[in-house]
Amino acid sequence: SQQGEEDPQALSIQEGENATMNCSYKTSINNLQWYRQNSGRGLVHLILIRSNEREKHSGRLRVTLDTSKKSSSLLITASRAADTASYFCATDAGQAGTALIFGKGTTLSVSS
Amino acid sequence: DGGITQSPKYLFRKEGQNVTLSCEQNLNHDAMYWYRQDPGQGLRLIYYSQIVNDFQKGDIAEGYSVSREKKESFPLTVTSAQKNPTAFYLCASSRGIQETQYFGPGTRLLVL
Repeated sequence: SQQGEEDPQALSIQEGENATMNCSYKTSINNLQWYRQNSGRGLVHLILIRSNEREKHSGRLRVTLDTSKKSSSLLITASRAADTASYFCATDAGQAGTALIFGKGTTLSVSS
Repeated sequence: DGGITQSPKYLFRKEGQNVTLSCEQNLNHDAMYWYRQDPGQGLRLIYYSQIVNDFQKGDIAEGYSVSREKKESFPLTVTSAQKNPTAFYLCASSRGIQETQYFGPGTRLLVL
């Protein structure tokens, strides 16, 4: 079952540029989470944003949530080569007791 | 050192053989999960458990089995019924079912 879908599938930028990736989902949610995965590793949690929040920041990361459009965006400012990874959004389906559903991810490549 | 561990890092399966992947956490989390990831793909949920002695099927449970006899442990068995088992398997845990997930380093299963 597909709930969140990231866009674009792949993104290539230069160091110092900003990277924006988007996540669209289908049903109402309680919260939306973003994770990062370096190649061949497990995922690492970045940010959780609840349905009553519109924006959250963590260091160089900014996440926005627009529940009317059922979409979220992750902005990484001043990208570094170390930001090269895949980024996934994960959503619940708005129902208590159901597991998160992960999208297919955006692969970000930052070149120096 | 708190965290979630998976073993082995690489596992080879022969035709008709069952193999078991280990997942252990010392985070005192109630919920645990198993995901399968194929190259360039997102995470697909195999099984999850919200509490000891209870577990639910995810989207792709066929050919897999789990047990949750202890809070810390959630082993996954890939049975001979799983005809295409080659993939990267990720285990995760969280305090509650829709809360932040913490991932292990993964096990790569290959078929001989």
